[in-house]
Amino acid sequence: DQQVKQNSPSLSVQEGRISILNCDYTNSMFDYFLWYKKYPAEGPTFLISISSIKDKNEDGRFTVFLNKSAKHLSLHIVPSQPGDSAVYFCAGTGGNKLVFGAGTILRVKS
Amino acid sequence: DAGITQSPRHKVTETGTPVTLRCHQTENHRYMYWYRQDPGHGLRLIHYSYGVKDTDKGEVSDGYSVSRSKTEDFLLTLESATSSQTSVYFCAISPVGQSGEQYFGPGTRLTVT
Repeated sequence: DQQVKQNSPSLSVQEGRISILNCDYTNSMFDYFLWYKKYPAEGPTFLISISSIKDKNEDGRFTVFLNKSAKHLSLHIVPSQPGDSAVYFCAGTGGNKLVFGAGTILRVKS
Repeated sequence: DAGITQSPRHKVTETGTPVTLRCHQTENHRYMYWYRQDPGHGLRLIHYSYGVKDTDKGEVSDGYSVSRSKTEDFLLTLESATSSQTSVYFCAISPVGQSGEQYFGPGTRLTVT
């Protein structure tokens, strides 16, 4: 039972363009959603989060959108940079446990 | 960066042997977690701790046990390692009350031959 799904295993984007990473969830009890970024041979690092009562949260080049009716969230990176190339995980939480998606590999080409 | 270390960083062991992985934090956070990362599965929770000697199972706890005798240390033990436990293991910590945000260690790559 996958509560959080990232249906695109990989995404390739040109430097300077927008990257859009998508995530779907099934658990209506999640009250926060988070995005993590992971480089090879390192632990994941927190990127941005959004409360379930919001529909948008922005932090610099990163914006997360939440559509509760569709149980869908997306991460927008504008403009994309080569250093953004990494694996991106979305996660939902209803307390102190995170449920992660399988991840999307983002490649930003220069 | 949150002060989290994991040891060892790499380990190769044989099927049937016991293995213990250590997570150490200097942040005095209440919550500590063990995850495994496998291709196609993302990060899956093995066990977590919400205080000294207080632990609970996660999604994939079979074959694993944990112990937390001090706030700063959280141990993950594979009693009898199997090839299916070959994975990258991450420890994470979290302060109480935040919006689920967790801080991850650098990981331990475990290979069971």
